[in-house]
Amino acid sequence: EVQLVESGGGLVQPGGSLRLSCAASGFTFSSYWMHWVRQAPGQGLVWVSRINSDGSSTSYADSVKGRFTISRDNAKNTLYLQMNSLRAEDTAVYYCARTDALSSSSRYYYYMDVWGKGTTVTVSS
Amino acid sequence: DIQMTQSPSSLSASVGDRVTITCRASQSISTYLNWYQQKPGKAPRLLIYAASSLQSGVPSRFSGSGSGTDFTLTISSLQPEDFATYYCQQSYSIFTFGPGTKVDIK
Repeated sequence: EVQLVESGGGLVQPGGSLRLSCAASGFTFSSYWMHWVRQAPGQGLVWVSRINSDGSSTSYADSVKGRFTISRDNAKNTLYLQMNSLRAEDTAVYYCARTDALSSSSRYYYYMDVWGKGTTVTVSS
Repeated sequence: DIQMTQSPSSLSASVGDRVTITCRASQSISTYLNWYQQKPGKAPRLLIYAASSLQSGVPSRFSGSGSGTDFTLTISSLQPEDFATYYCQQSYSIFTFGPGTKVDIK
C-alpha cells in the first residue's frame, strides 16, 4: 500500500524549532518529488516547500523562506521539514504529499496524488 | 506569483443536484490545473489533474474543464459522500491553491 506518515508535530514556543518527518512506503520514494503543504485551523491549503527526487533542488513559499529547510533521505525513504524561528502564524496541520506528473507533448502536468494524514504544529507560549 | 480565486466560496445543494465550481487564475496557466476534495479532519484527495483528467478511482460523476484562466469542476449528480470542500491548484509555477469552495447539504 502506498503510504505517507508524518510525525514530529507538537507544541513549541515562538522562536523555537521543530523537525517534521514523513515516512514513505509502498513506492519508490527516490523517484518522486515531494512537497509540504500546511493548513491553519479553519483555513485553506497553503503550499510550503518542495524538493526534487535526489534532493538537489528545493523551493519555498515566501512566508517560510530562510526559516524552514526541506530535505530527504532516500536511503531511509523519509522526507523532512526543519522549522526554525517559529511564529504563531506557523500553527497548522502539516501534510507531506507526493508529486506525480502527466507527460503530454513534452509538457509535464504535476499534481499531488498521495498525501499523508498530517501532523499538527502549534506555536504558542 | 499566480493567484487563484474560486466561486462560490460556499454552496448548499441536495443529493442528485448538478454542481459547478469555478476557479480562475490571475494569468494564463494553460491546463496546469488540479482539483482536490477535502473532508473535515482528513487529508486532501486528488480528483482531477491537468484540468480534465480523472484520477484513478474517482467516480465519473466528477469532471473538469477549462484552459487559460478559467476552469470548472462539475459534479453531475451530487452524492452524500460529496459534501466537502473543494480546492483548485495551479501547477504552472510551483503550486498555488485556491481558497476553497465548501459544498454542504441544503
